[in-house]
Amino acid sequence: EAGVAQSPRYKIIEKRQSVAFWCNPISGHATLYWYQQILGQGPKLLIQFQNNGVVDDSQLPKDRFSAERLKGVDSTLKIQPAKLEDSAVYLCASSLGERGGTYEQYFGPGTRLTVT
Amino acid sequence: AQSVAQPEDQVNVAEGNPLTVKCTYSVSGNPYLFWYVQYPNRGLQFLLKYITGDNLVKGSYGFEAEFNKSQTSFHLKKPSALVSDSALYFCAVRDRVGGATNKLIFGTGTLLAVQP
Repeated sequence: EAGVAQSPRYKIIEKRQSVAFWCNPISGHATLYWYQQILGQGPKLLIQFQNNGVVDDSQLPKDRFSAERLKGVDSTLKIQPAKLEDSAVYLCASSLGERGGTYEQYFGPGTRLTVT
Repeated sequence: AQSVAQPEDQVNVAEGNPLTVKCTYSVSGNPYLFWYVQYPNRGLQFLLKYITGDNLVKGSYGFEAEFNKSQTSFHLKKPSALVSDSALYFCAVRDRVGGATNKLIFGTGTLLAVQP
């Protein structure tokens, strides 16, 4: 079974530029998550999708971050404009969701973003 | 609010010795608890979970964890450490507050260093 795929793996941009990350979840997983992991901290949820609907985006800085999950499969996370404090690893995860009854999430390798 | 605490930033253990990585939790209701491991430049890998049932949970790579309700702890253990176990370990709790389904709240992580 293929895991969660993410691209790019690394990205370096200047502040005020825009950037987009892509995620392809495990086939059949209804729930998709984007987490931000700042160096030295645990991951923090940015947004959660159930199929193509948003379940929780309470910690997403909506003035600069946006995310979509068209057709309930792939997802993109965008930052525009980027700030220095956005430097972090962006992790995508997927799970079967509550109906699956398993609850664990499976993570992709992440995208390391450096904003200079 | 749901939270987990990992009191040790780093744990050092000699290869072949038993290891313990500590985690305590604070939740309302019954906790759903998880352990993940993160190797350098990799995403998080699921190790094990406690949802209900036996207090001793067995997971991947020979790891196990003991759920202790009275001490609100979920410590990760392994009888005999390997150098290859050296990595960053995260404890997490499922957050059901505010209607979020399946959101994970992570601890700050514990770096496990196994010396040969």
